[in-house]
Amino acid sequence: DVKVTQSSRYLVKRTGEKVFLECVQDMDHENMFWYRQDPGLGLRLIYFSYDVKMKEKGDIPEGYSVSREKKERFSLILESASTNQTSMYLCASSLFGLAISYEQYFGPGTRLTVT
Amino acid sequence: AQKVTQAQTEISVVEKEDVTLDCVYETRDTTYYLFWYKQPPSGELVFLIRRNSFDEQNEISGRYSWNFQKSTSSFNFTITASQVVDSAVYFCALDAGGTSYGKLTFGQGTILTVHP
Repeated sequence: DVKVTQSSRYLVKRTGEKVFLECVQDMDHENMFWYRQDPGLGLRLIYFSYDVKMKEKGDIPEGYSVSREKKERFSLILESASTNQTSMYLCASSLFGLAISYEQYFGPGTRLTVT
Repeated sequence: AQKVTQAQTEISVVEKEDVTLDCVYETRDTTYYLFWYKQPPSGELVFLIRRNSFDEQNEISGRYSWNFQKSTSSFNFTITASQVVDSAVYFCALDAGGTSYGKLTFGQGTILTVHP
């Protein structure tokens, strides 16, 4: 079974703090994704990575950065947390497909509150 | 640009009722994939089905069925004889590819509550 784990289920941070959200998958997937989920907006893609050290911006990258030094690990960084970044953050992984779209496997999510 | 619309924000039914969740998508690509995911109260999204644009056959899996109609750009999901365990948020998603596949565009989600 694919397993995607996230470092924390709940996190409370202060405005201006640097925040690291970690995600690890154990199925040797090439693709990894970070989404944020807000009521009424569904899931919105922040960044994704299709290989080690490779990254692409998603729909809402402002205020975030990512790091992928190892295939199994994808980190989301909030350089200076702000209250509008209070949200549920979901990590996902999938196989890479040139001619096919593979299903994504999701972690349990991190509910981040910035005060 | 791709877009997915789930017009039903919340649906409430009583156990054993049938319920249909609507999904309408927009894309200019002729090759694309559609997905449904379930998010139970625990929070982890669970994959339910993938359908590519060339396969318009409807699919049935137990109490779940999906109706894909390219003519109306819809990919609706029906749960027959609903159960309390079906209570969750359901997301429809689209992957229209490009240079490679993988990036999903999600709908807003439909919150389904099944009452005993």
